[in-house]
Amino acid sequence: AQSVTQLDSHVSVSEGTPVLLRCNYSSSYSPSLFWYVQHPNKGLQLLLKYTSAATLVKGINGFEAEFKKSETSFHLTKPSAHMSDAAEYFCVVSPFGYNKLIFGAGTRLAVHP
Amino acid sequence: DSGVTQTPKHLITATGQRVTLRCSPRSGDLSVYWYQQSLDQGLQFLIQYYNGEERAKGNILERFSAQQFPDLHSELNLSSLELGDSALYFCASSVGRSSYNSPLHFGNGTRLTVT
Repeated sequence: AQSVTQLDSHVSVSEGTPVLLRCNYSSSYSPSLFWYVQHPNKGLQLLLKYTSAATLVKGINGFEAEFKKSETSFHLTKPSAHMSDAAEYFCVVSPFGYNKLIFGAGTRLAVHP
Repeated sequence: DSGVTQTPKHLITATGQRVTLRCSPRSGDLSVYWYQQSLDQGLQFLIQYYNGEERAKGNILERFSAQQFPDLHSELNLSSLELGDSALYFCASSVGRSSYNSPLHFGNGTRLTVT
């Protein structure tokens, strides 16, 4: 079965400290993986994507994610949080051969001054 | 700005009514996807069209239907509306026919409130 689990529903960090948003996936075949961000009253914006090239993927706004097949994880990180990073983040898997995206439940990131 | 345009932004209607949501994809994108986002269900895939043809179907109710026109814009029709249909409806577009290697770009959504 194909699924995505975001291990934290809420994460709170201070401005300037590192961000870690955790995601595990389950997929029968080599999937494509994505992270999207949703700011309040906005659509989802693509942060980065993994499509079986380099395992460390760099995205926009200083975010990056590492694909670890042995751990079936695709965690999102950023070295230093900014107030504007406060939003909801979705880990998404697109299994090979299945023309659909499977969304995680989302992680709400709060950034405190 | 993703380049995907959705209208209207907000829609308030009564139970039993019918509404139409409209989506214009990014220039050059041939695929249009519809998603429903609600607090209890999260993001649910409804349906995909590629170059005018239905390509994939998700958890779309029989009361809902969609189509993609020759100019590639798409409409989602929701009929016999129920309170539980209140949600944020997103349209997304992509260049290719598969979400596996063709990332989706989302519009800002239409917020539907059924009273």
